[in-house]
Amino acid sequence: QQQVRQSPQSLTVWEGETAILNCSYEDSTFNYFPWYQQFPGEGPALLISIRSVSDKKEDGRFTIFFNKREKKLSLHITDSQPGDSATYFCAAGTGGLSGKLTFGEGTQVTVIS
Amino acid sequence: DAGVTQTPRHEVAEKGQTIILKCEPVSGHNDLFWYRQTKIQGLELLSYFRSKSLMEDGGAFKDRFKAEMLNSSFSTLKIQPTEPKDSAVYLCASRPGTGGLYAEQFFGPGTRLTVL
Repeated sequence: QQQVRQSPQSLTVWEGETAILNCSYEDSTFNYFPWYQQFPGEGPALLISIRSVSDKKEDGRFTIFFNKREKKLSLHITDSQPGDSATYFCAAGTGGLSGKLTFGEGTQVTVIS
Repeated sequence: DAGVTQTPRHEVAEKGQTIILKCEPVSGHNDLFWYRQTKIQGLELLSYFRSKSLMEDGGAFKDRFKAEMLNSSFSTLKIQPTEPKDSAVYLCASRPGTGGLYAEQFFGPGTRLTVL
């Protein structure tokens, strides 16, 4: 049973547009949500993260919006560039000392110019 | 600085074979993770070690999957016997001991396993 779900499975946007990736979760104890970016042939790498005490986190062109009540979050990529073409994973975890992250299925983003 | 190293990068096995995947974490990292990556399920946790102690063994993967940390700088994942449904990319990640959950996991490039 998938505890972290992502949509859409794949997304194509034009260069300069905003890509919106969605993530939802079931476990209300989750309080940390990192997003990882993966290019073909490479392992995922941390892109941006948010803790449940915040409802928004911004880092350059990447912004996470978090809705604790609805157990949903989204990653917005503004001014999308061809170099942003990658698979993006939403993950979730509980607590500060616990080690485990639960990952979603991923969203494959293609930016065309 | 050397990142996470995984060998081999590609592995082809016949059904029923035993295969061993290898991982060298980032030097000084205390936490090590093994994941299986498929398009349908995304990343699924197989094993999680903290300071060489097994913290989680991935539940559904217990039967044929066994991860070990032979020392703080080397880990193996054994799949025995392999089945075609095991075809996937196997990722190893490590993390500093400080920072707990909030510290970044550093991933290796993965091993692509094909079971015929």
